[in-house]
Amino acid sequence: QVQLQQSGAELAKPGSSVKISCKASGYTFTSYYISWIKQTTGQGLEYIGYINTGSGGTNYNEKFKGKATLTVDKSSSTAFMQLSSLTPDDSAVYYCARSLMAYYDGYYFDYWGQGVMVTVSS
Amino acid sequence: DIQMTQSPASLSASLGETVTIECLASEDIYDILAWYQQKPGKSPQLLIYDASSLHTGVPSRFSGSGSGTQYSLKINSLQPEDFASYYCQNGLSALNTFGAGTKLELK
Repeated sequence: QVQLQQSGAELAKPGSSVKISCKASGYTFTSYYISWIKQTTGQGLEYIGYINTGSGGTNYNEKFKGKATLTVDKSSSTAFMQLSSLTPDDSAVYYCARSLMAYYDGYYFDYWGQGVMVTVSS
Repeated sequence: DIQMTQSPASLSASLGETVTIECLASEDIYDILAWYQQKPGKSPQLLIYDASSLHTGVPSRFSGSGSGTQYSLKINSLQPEDFASYYCQNGLSALNTFGAGTKLELK
């Protein structure tokens, strides 16, 4: 069965960086892009961007350019997202999700990781 | 940027009832719309894509309809496991915007 297993919760200080992982299993990793989505109580669900798991190519929501960096390790079927220059506004749950192409750069998300809570506090 | 407006924000219903949740797009999204269910502390789960296609394993009491800018999710004969939050999402634009959600509670 398709599974996306994410790394554990992070507590980080303002100005620092965190790197969270998303390990896929149960399907051919390079056949689907992986997207990342941020969830907060205030802003709801926000799309961060995707990574082409075959080529490593990326596409970002303009809002998250410079904040998020997406990478992939095909050998371990794992996608990563690094969040840099953290501020309290980056405190959220971050999900990875397998992506189905809906239209050009538009996607649906058919399987999700369990989420990683990132807390930014001094 | 395409905005997605869901209504109502919250809804109380009883077991066995039928409920409908609405989603209004700020422009025509040509049926490129998904619905997700999220339970507390869990990740969202895809229910419906392309406005009316049921995702694998989703019970048939869930259905989606609509066109243009107006879409709806209907849940027939509510079961205990259906009380959750529901989100619409447009897959037309590269921003893949989500609605703010509808919380379905047991009356």
